[in-house]
Amino acid sequence: EVQLVESGGDLVQPGGSLRLSCAASGFSFSNYWMYWVRQAPGKGLVWVSQINNDGSNTNYADSVKDRFTISRDNAKNTLYLQMNSLRAEDTAMYYCVRDWFGESTWGQGTPVTVSS
Amino acid sequence: DIVMSQTPLSSPVTLGQPASISCRSSHSLVHSSGNTYLSWLHQRPGQPPRLLIHRISNRFSGVPDRFSGSGAGTDFTLKINRVETEDVGIYYCMQTTQFPWTFGQGTKVEIK
Repeated sequence: EVQLVESGGDLVQPGGSLRLSCAASGFSFSNYWMYWVRQAPGKGLVWVSQINNDGSNTNYADSVKDRFTISRDNAKNTLYLQMNSLRAEDTAMYYCVRDWFGESTWGQGTPVTVSS
Repeated sequence: DIVMSQTPLSSPVTLGQPASISCRSSHSLVHSSGNTYLSWLHQRPGQPPRLLIHRISNRFSGVPDRFSGSGAGTDFTLKINRVETEDVGIYYCMQTTQFPWTFGQGTKVEIK
């Protein structure tokens, strides 16, 4: 069974940092592009970042570019999102997503709250 | 970026009756491969989104056959044949044809 389990979400002050992790199991992690999508409280879904299967290609939403870094460790079957210079507007549930030609699988999410 | 627009944004339905949600994209979702990467997601309160339909009309594993998808190019529809209690929640259309992924605003389905 495909499983994506996010962790690392927390309450952090503006300007602070967090690293989110997504532990993958039940599939060949190194074969898949992976994604982060976030959802602010009561709002819709927003794509944040993506990484190709070997980690050599990454992309970011303009709102997080130069502050967030996506990475992966294929030996550990784990996806990461390093978030720096956090702002109140980064407050959201962060979902790890696997996609295979339109067939997406979503993790349970990890909550990030940025507040003083 | 491709803009995805859903209608209606709210849909009160009677149990056992059909429901329909439309999704329109600002650009064609036909990929250079010939496939159209338009998906439908369902999110229950307090739960993560889960995939219902991918590539316009393909039901994901375990999705009941009362759900069906149709459309082409820029216009797509999700239909629920007979709404059940477990179908309440928010439905999103999503395109993964072109970077970046974009989503519709969501349609809230509730029981009258």
